[in-house]
Amino acid sequence: DAGITQSPRHKVTETGTPVTLRCHQTENHRYMYWYRQDPGHGLRLIHYSYGVKDTDKGEVSDGYSVSRSKTEDFLLTLESATSSQTSVYFCAISGRQGGDTQYFGPGTRLTVL
Amino acid sequence: DAKTTQPPSMDCAEGRAANLPCNHSTISGNEYVYWYRQIHSQGPQYIIHGLKNNETNEMASLIITEDRKSSTLILPHATLRDTAVYYCIVRPVSNFGNEKLTFGTGTRLTIIP
Repeated sequence: DAGITQSPRHKVTETGTPVTLRCHQTENHRYMYWYRQDPGHGLRLIHYSYGVKDTDKGEVSDGYSVSRSKTEDFLLTLESATSSQTSVYFCAISGRQGGDTQYFGPGTRLTVL
Repeated sequence: DAKTTQPPSMDCAEGRAANLPCNHSTISGNEYVYWYRQIHSQGPQYIIHGLKNNETNEMASLIITEDRKSSTLILPHATLRDTAVYYCIVRPVSNFGNEKLTFGTGTRLTIIP
């Protein structure tokens, strides 16, 4: 497996609280992605990054923000968590050049009560 | 838009070859065929990809028809650890990192002891 870790692996929180998920890579890959996976929807792209401090929105970005202050870390923040954000969140990375294979982290299971 | 069609489920006896089909009749000339799998609760795992030639790696073989409208993933000697959901994905060759992977519903492969 590619050197990708996600933290925390499990989190339970309450509606309205802020939550930050962390993706850490040791592969020095340029591109990083955040997906969410829900039953009946497959994986959907939330945000992605194409370099330090360079990010852009995916197809389901509302309610989420991201930051990338260094190559190895990509943070996903839910400013005010809602029950609809209960999901499994996966981080992925890909190589120096776009079009390379994406490799996924182990996932974070988030429950918003 | 569904770009790939896969059977929802398949069984295979342990030790036998597992052949997973995928239809991608609308594939464009600049699109790769990728295969991932997801073992329960884990992150998607990259298996193999190809453009038009058959490919083989340590995990599997990928056979792409000459017209590129379908492909078959072959696991040569299936083990119980190969039980997973297998996803066939088409994605464009790109020099940008913003292409999302569109996971459909995949094929749930069950290896029978």
